[in-house]
Amino acid sequence: GEDVEQSLFLSVREGDSSVINCTYTDSSSTYLYWYKQEPGAGLQLLTYIFSNMDMKQDQRLTVLLNKKDKHLSLRIADTQTGDSAIYFCAELNQGGKLIFGQGTELSVKP
Amino acid sequence: DSGVTQTPKHLITATGQRVTLRCSPRSGDLSVYWYQQSLDQGLQFLIQYYNGEERAKGNILERFSAQQFPDLHSELNLSSLELGDSALYFCASSGDEGLYGYTFGSGTRLTVV
Repeated sequence: GEDVEQSLFLSVREGDSSVINCTYTDSSSTYLYWYKQEPGAGLQLLTYIFSNMDMKQDQRLTVLLNKKDKHLSLRIADTQTGDSAIYFCAELNQGGKLIFGQGTELSVKP
Repeated sequence: DSGVTQTPKHLITATGQRVTLRCSPRSGDLSVYWYQQSLDQGLQFLIQYYNGEERAKGNILERFSAQQFPDLHSELNLSSLELGDSALYFCASSGDEGLYGYTFGSGTRLTVV
């Protein structure tokens, strides 16, 4: 079956790195995504990674993919208070549907 | 502004009523997706349309229906509303098969009282 799991909460101090983890069950997933949702807003696509990649870096964001363990992580360097939001991991299943995890609420303390 | 427009932003209605949520996709996108976000269920995929045709169906109740019109805008109809239907309803759009991700609208917050 399809399932995407994330821890629900993460709290860090401003300036530290944040690492948000995600596991997925569909071993055929070839497209994985990270979305950010700020309070009262829609989901904003942050980055994506294809299964033929192990790592992708985009400014302060680093995505790591471990296909063997079906584990995806998002690292945010130099975390700022403006990064406080809910972060969703998602996989595109074989039917072309985007399946989301429950979301990780990131709290950044000054 | 993501380019995906959803109206209305907020809707309060009584149980048993029917409402219509509207979505205009980003220019050039042929696919429209509807999701329901609630505290207990998270983000649930409801239905997808591609260029006017239903492409995929998720956990959409029989009381809910949707369509995509020739101008590619989409409507989600919710009828016989129950308290449990209170949620955020998101529309998203994509080009091709959505391989590069979906673009989401800001959502319609539905409150059933």
